[in-house]
Amino acid sequence: DAGVIQSPRHEVTEMGQEVTLRCKPISGHDYLFWYRQTMMRGLELLIYFNNNVPIDDSGMPEDRFSAKMPNASFSTLKIQPSEPRDSAVYFCASSLGGGLGNQPQHFGDGTRLSIL
Amino acid sequence: EDKVVQSPLSLVVHEGDTVTLNCSYEVTNFRSLLWYKQEKKAPTFLFMLTSSGIEKKSGRLSSILDKKELFSILNITATQTGDSAIYLCAAYLQGAQKLVFGQGTRLTINP
Repeated sequence: DAGVIQSPRHEVTEMGQEVTLRCKPISGHDYLFWYRQTMMRGLELLIYFNNNVPIDDSGMPEDRFSAKMPNASFSTLKIQPSEPRDSAVYFCASSLGGGLGNQPQHFGDGTRLSIL
Repeated sequence: EDKVVQSPLSLVVHEGDTVTLNCSYEVTNFRSLLWYKQEKKAPTFLFMLTSSGIEKKSGRLSSILDKKELFSILNITATQTGDSAIYLCAAYLQGAQKLVFGQGTRLTINP
């Protein structure tokens, strides 16, 4: 079975550029999560969706970050304009029936983002 | 503020040793505690613990939850170099339906 698929695997861009990260969740999963991982702050939840609807975006650091889920099989996380402090590994995860708390989240391999 | 704290942050042992990793939590509406192993890429799921005192076991790994004292431990016996990784624990919050992660324990197994 295909797991969570993220693209690109690595992204290096200059400060001020727009960055778009992509995620395809596991088929049939109804929850999708975006995380950011840094050495200083560990793994932080940015936003999550249920049935394509954003439920909690309280972890999104500022207005430069936005996320969409136009359908059940695709989500994007966009940073515009990007800044060096956005450099991190961004993970997407999905789960089934997350509301019951008895199904684990499955993670993609992440996008390593470097903003110069 | 919801908080999950892991200790130690880093641990280096020799192959064959037994290790115990700790995870304590202070969160609202706790539902379950999860353990993940992260090598070079994605965190991979190990255990989900919902009830106190019931040990979950998978090969050389085992874990248990204490909901009264608000902590969990992950034990690895007869460690191997392939066990080297960052081990993450996370509290699943009911209602908020999200995971709050600890900082992770970086485990290094030397041959």
